[in-house]
Amino acid sequence: QVQLVQSGVEVKKPGASVKVSCKASGYTFTSYGVSWVRQAPGQGLEWMGWISVYNGNTNYAQKLQGRVTMTTDSSTSTAYMELRSLRSDDTAVYYCARCNSYYYYMDVWGTGTTVTVSS
Amino acid sequence: EIVLTQSPGTLSLSPGERATLSCRASQTVSSSYLAWYQQKPGQAPRLLIYGAFSRATGIPDRFSGSGSGTDFTLSISRLEPEDFAVYYCQQYGSYWTFGQGTKVEIK
Repeated sequence: QVQLVQSGVEVKKPGASVKVSCKASGYTFTSYGVSWVRQAPGQGLEWMGWISVYNGNTNYAQKLQGRVTMTTDSSTSTAYMELRSLRSDDTAVYYCARCNSYYYYMDVWGTGTTVTVSS
Repeated sequence: EIVLTQSPGTLSLSPGERATLSCRASQTVSSSYLAWYQQKPGQAPRLLIYGAFSRATGIPDRFSGSGSGTDFTLSISRLEPEDFAVYYCQQYGSYWTFGQGTKVEIK
């Protein structure tokens, strides 16, 4: 079946970087984009960015520009999200999601990765 | 950036009642690019509605979406126990944004 399996829990110190992986299976990886969404404790959903698996084009949320990089590896059907210069308010659950290439909705969500930033 | 405002923040209803959730956009949103998601505690969001009206695969027909322009609605005709959750609207228009969510709780 279609699924996105993410990497495990991360605990980082302020100023460090984190790289979260998202391995896709059950569908043609290059036919969809991948969006990344995060959710701080007790808060709503925040869109972080999107990457076209087909051509590598990216679109990042303005507030994260310069700190986030999204990449994909089609040979392993894996997407990656790296966030640098971590702050305490980056503490959240990070989700990848398969993104429809025409209507841009997110129809399959990853398992979620908890990232805690604490000194 | 298009801002989505959902109302009410919390909806207290009993099983079997009808739920009506609102999502208002700060600018016109193409109906093609408006979606609704359901999230339960400790779980990832689940796509309910895309293109403002179309139910995602496996979504019961008690869920329906409507609206256009800047005003969109998610309706749940008869609440089942498993429908008590948080609901988010989302739009795409160069960037993606989510509404802040509506919690549907048991009265």
